[in-house]
Amino acid sequence: GAVVSQHPSRVICKSGTSVKIECRSLDFQATTMFWYRQFPKQSLMLMATSNEGSKATYEQGVEKDKFLINHASLTLSTLTVTSAHPEDSSFYICSARVQHTGELFFGEGSRLTVL
Amino acid sequence: GENVEQHPSTLSVQEGDSAVIKCTYSDSASNYFPWYKQELGKRPQLIIDIRSNVGEKKDQRIAVTLNKTAKHFSLHITETQPEDSAVYFCAASRGFQKLVFGTGTRLLVSP
Repeated sequence: GAVVSQHPSRVICKSGTSVKIECRSLDFQATTMFWYRQFPKQSLMLMATSNEGSKATYEQGVEKDKFLINHASLTLSTLTVTSAHPEDSSFYICSARVQHTGELFFGEGSRLTVL
Repeated sequence: GENVEQHPSTLSVQEGDSAVIKCTYSDSASNYFPWYKQELGKRPQLIIDIRSNVGEKKDQRIAVTLNKTAKHFSLHITETQPEDSAVYFCAASRGFQKLVFGTGTRLLVSP
């Protein structure tokens, strides 16, 4: 299957700082990537749809100024959590869709802990 | 928008038994239904998917059935093994649009 790489896998930061997470499609081009957040023992909640070369589409209740998404190329999308607070601590997972099949492949996930 | 419900939330079976997980969806225009397996702290892995033009799909011990009229689909795992223990998520989408996930089922297979 297609490979999606996410970095970093774990990050610990102080409250008030910003954290950037990268998501790369390694062997295919992805015009659309998705960012999910998963709290412990819960489902994956879609935060936003990242579109290459245009603005991301955010789900209701997700603050676009807090969760900045940039999709500057066909293989890279970044999520920046700005002014992080302890309640932002979560598992963030990106995914990319293979255009001709529609299959969705996930990155390894990034566990963010805000102290 | 789409809403996906999943049952049961937890499922315990003995090794060798069958396990069935059921999902219902609300958007009649949804036509793609994947199932993912997620082990603790790891990424979800696609295990099987089905599109609305078929009613059933099988891959070795795993099968998925779809009832478009009732808007529900199910995952069937036969001859369960301890390594099948994980959290399973169903999902639904319209074509290549965003996937909406179910709430997850924690499957525990006891030796």
